[in-house]
Amino acid sequence: DIQLTQSPSFLSASLGDRVTFTCRASQGISNYLAWYQQRPGKAPNLLIYAASTLHSGVPLRFSGSGSGTEFTLTISNLQPEDFATYYCQQLHSYPITFGQGTRLDIK
Amino acid sequence: QVQLVQSGAEVKKPGASVKVSCKASGYTFTGYYVHWMRQVPGEGLEWLGWVNPNSGGTSYAQKFQGRVTMTGDTSINTAYMVLNRLTSDDTAVYYCTRGYGYQSDYWGQGTLVTVSS
Repeated sequence: DIQLTQSPSFLSASLGDRVTFTCRASQGISNYLAWYQQRPGKAPNLLIYAASTLHSGVPLRFSGSGSGTEFTLTISNLQPEDFATYYCQQLHSYPITFGQGTRLDIK
Repeated sequence: QVQLVQSGAEVKKPGASVKVSCKASGYTFTGYYVHWMRQVPGEGLEWLGWVNPNSGGTSYAQKFQGRVTMTGDTSINTAYMVLNRLTSDDTAVYYCTRGYGYQSDYWGQGTLVTVSS
């Protein structure tokens, strides 16, 4: 199975900050990577797919990059609704797997 | 608008089976795969498999092979996931999702399945 390792596991930031999360795959997955946001008690929301394609309706302050084994999700100008947990997901090989998540808290 | 509405919470004893339903609306049910995920409260996400409602084809994570069955009823736009031989490790929130490519663009509200003696 392909392992996804997210870093950091926890991040504290302030409104208006720019933050970057990393997702590393245990083997190359081309650009078969998606990012999700999950608020407490809610189902995840798709943010980005194909590593860098913004899903419909997602604010432009979210961006993704990377290919192969290293990927990043960047959020610019943090808004109150952005404080949540973020997961990466690989879609290159079965079984589809997720990273363990990065929790973003307000400082 | 696209909606996936799942059945309510379940409490099961070890060794029992659970069936979770997922009613789709707002899109052509046969045009998209339905994936099933689960999440132990406070922990990460795990993929169980998908069903193609159009063909009935399925793909399951090896971990659940032989224990899970996913189906779709196109007459009522509803997908089902049955998990057998439950243990306490199966206590989790189960989600159905609409497959958009391989990723999931719409999620159900989740169904908490508790396995306890």
